[in-house]
Amino acid sequence: DAEITQSPRHKITETGRQVTLACHQTWNHNNMFWYRQDLGHGLRLIHYSYGVQDTNKGEVSDGYSVSRSNTEDLPLTLESAASSQTSVYFCASSDGGQSYEQYFGPGTRLTVT
Amino acid sequence: KQEVTQIPAALSVPEGENLVLNCSFTDSAIYNLQWFRQDPGKGLTSLLLIQSSQREQTSGRLNASLDKSSGRSTLYIAASQPGDSATYLCAVCRTGANSKLTFGKGITLSVRP
Repeated sequence: DAEITQSPRHKITETGRQVTLACHQTWNHNNMFWYRQDLGHGLRLIHYSYGVQDTNKGEVSDGYSVSRSNTEDLPLTLESAASSQTSVYFCASSDGGQSYEQYFGPGTRLTVT
Repeated sequence: KQEVTQIPAALSVPEGENLVLNCSFTDSAIYNLQWFRQDPGKGLTSLLLIQSSQREQTSGRLNASLDKSSGRSTLYIAASQPGDSATYLCAVCRTGANSKLTFGKGITLSVRP
């Protein structure tokens, strides 16, 4: 069955370190998204991609970057981790056809100390 | 800017009750609306997707309706069970947004045995 996976599932890092969160999907979807989920804010879009070599900023993109070198993967990099980036991060994908239904990964809980 | 509201934030009902979860959105120019379920510590699971041309979708005990003109959607859960306890989120894809979703903050449902 097609799926979307994230790794690691839990990560503790120190302020100032670079961190990369992995996202891999086997749906062969063109569209991929990164969200963060925080109490009181709900889900907010960080970055998204509509295909290989395409990346776009979402509403909370400062301090984050992504790259898309193939269809299956969209890694999210925190250039210099800050305590404000402690959150749960979700990756999602959707087809580029008619339905645009989004499918989510299990999430990565990141703690920045 | 599209805003999605889900009220109340939490709901507790006895087992067996039929219930309705509400979602409202400010911009009626939507492509689709998606309902998700999230269990504690887990990712989002897509429950139902309604295209803008549709009025409702059904899956088992779940029925979602859409009224674009009034900016409202409802998720109806028949004969609720303790296993239905979770957070339910609605998300809207605006026309032309190419599958980018705007999320409500969710309704946390507790079904008491």
